[in-house]
Amino acid sequence: DAGVIQSPRHEVTEMGQEVTLRCKPISGHDYLFWYRQTMMRGLELLIYFNNNVPIDDSGMPEDRFSAKMPNASFSTLKIQPSEPRDSAVYFCASIPGEANTGELFFGEGSRLTVL
Amino acid sequence: QQQVKQSPQSLIVQKGGISIINCAYENTAFDYFPWYQQFPGKGPALLIAIRPDVSEKKEGRFTISFNKSAKQFSLHIMDSQPGDSATYFCAARGGSYIPTFGRGTSLIVHP
Repeated sequence: DAGVIQSPRHEVTEMGQEVTLRCKPISGHDYLFWYRQTMMRGLELLIYFNNNVPIDDSGMPEDRFSAKMPNASFSTLKIQPSEPRDSAVYFCASIPGEANTGELFFGEGSRLTVL
Repeated sequence: QQQVKQSPQSLIVQKGGISIINCAYENTAFDYFPWYQQFPGKGPALLIAIRPDVSEKKEGRFTISFNKSAKQFSLHIMDSQPGDSATYFCAARGGSYIPTFGRGTSLIVHP
C-alpha cells in the first residue's frame, strides 16, 4: 500500500527562482495538508484541503506561496519567487474523512535549499 | 500563540535509561493526544495516542501519561535504545481533523 508520495526529495535553487513541490496523497483520503518544518519553528501548517477544496490557508506565510489541488490524487505547493528564508523541509500529509482514527500520514518530505 | 508547549527541546539519555518528554496544552476542547516519531530524512509517523478518558496508555516500552486536570501529558520511553534516537512531537486535536503540534524534542540515546 503506497503512502503519501512527495517529489522532489531534495531541491536546491537560487533566490528568485520558482519552486514547485508535488504531493500524491493516499488513495481515498479526503484531507491533504502541507506543513513546513524548520529548527526554529517546528512543524507549521501552511494550508489544508478537503475534497480538493482549500479550507484554511492562514498559515501560508506570504503571497509568494500558493497551493493547488486539481484532483484527489495530486497537489502542488509553489513558491515564486523563492528566498533563502524559505529553506526548510516541506511535508505533505493526508487523512481519510470518514473512518478517521486521527492519524496523520506524512510523506517523506521535500528538502528545499534556496541559495 | 502556541497551544501545545513541549519540553525539553533536546534530551540525551544513556542506553537503558528512561526518556521523558512533557507537553502542556491550553484548549480544553482537545480530545485526542498523539505522539509522532520522526527519524532523520523521514516524515513523522504516529507512535502512540491517548484520549482523555484514560490516564495512561502503554505500548511496549512507550507509555503516555495523561493528567486532564493539569492539562498535561507526557511520553515515557523505558529502557531507551539507540534506535529510539529521533525527534518526537506531541500533538493535540479537537473537533476538527487538524492537530496542533508541539515544537518537537530531539532525543539522542547513547550506546
